[in-house]
Amino acid sequence: AQSVTQLDSHVSVSEGTPVLLRCNYSSSYSPSLFWYVQHPNKGLQLLLKYTSAATLVKGINGFEAEFKKSETSFHLTKPSAHMSDAAEYFCVVRRAGGTSYGKLTFGQGTILTVHP
Amino acid sequence: GAVVSQHPSRVICKSGTSVKIECRSLDFQATTMFWYRQFPKQSLMLMATSNEGSKATYEQGVEKDKFLINHASLTLSTLTVTSAHPEDSSFYICSALGRNYNEQFFGPGTRLTVL
Repeated sequence: AQSVTQLDSHVSVSEGTPVLLRCNYSSSYSPSLFWYVQHPNKGLQLLLKYTSAATLVKGINGFEAEFKKSETSFHLTKPSAHMSDAAEYFCVVRRAGGTSYGKLTFGQGTILTVHP
Repeated sequence: GAVVSQHPSRVICKSGTSVKIECRSLDFQATTMFWYRQFPKQSLMLMATSNEGSKATYEQGVEKDKFLINHASLTLSTLTVTSAHPEDSSFYICSALGRNYNEQFFGPGTRLTVL
């Protein structure tokens, strides 16, 4: 079985300050991990993905995440928040093997609020 | 990049009617399509997986006869909510997986409101 836990349901930061959205996962197989962003009433947009290559992954809009196998974590960071970053973020794990190959499991989501 | 569309984007219907939602991959062939449901302020829950030309595989707890999925071609999958009730009101999102991709591409979602 696989699961994803996003440790914070809400994160609030000031514009220009760093962003940290935390994610822990569990998977019976070597997972692929993703971060998606969802703006209100919009579809999901892929921010970045880890698929067993470099453990530090850079994505769009200045976001990056580091895969730490020993900690089973895949936290999302950004050095300086922008007002347009306000949205909901989902950490997602994809099963790499077994009968459920390709299925995505979503975390509960973290709502990021950015204050002026 | 790969684009997935959904139609309609929003639908309001009366209780007891059926609603069909279309999911199309616009510039690639989708060997597999997924249907998700998202309740307000909650995460996405996978409802079913469909492969072109074969029956959909439903997740535990999802009623096959209520949520009919058809994946008739490599670019189109449909979800029909039969005899909809207010508790079926939700945001339905599809995604598509192509042969040459290792990620799912998501549609913009369909908001269903059942009165």
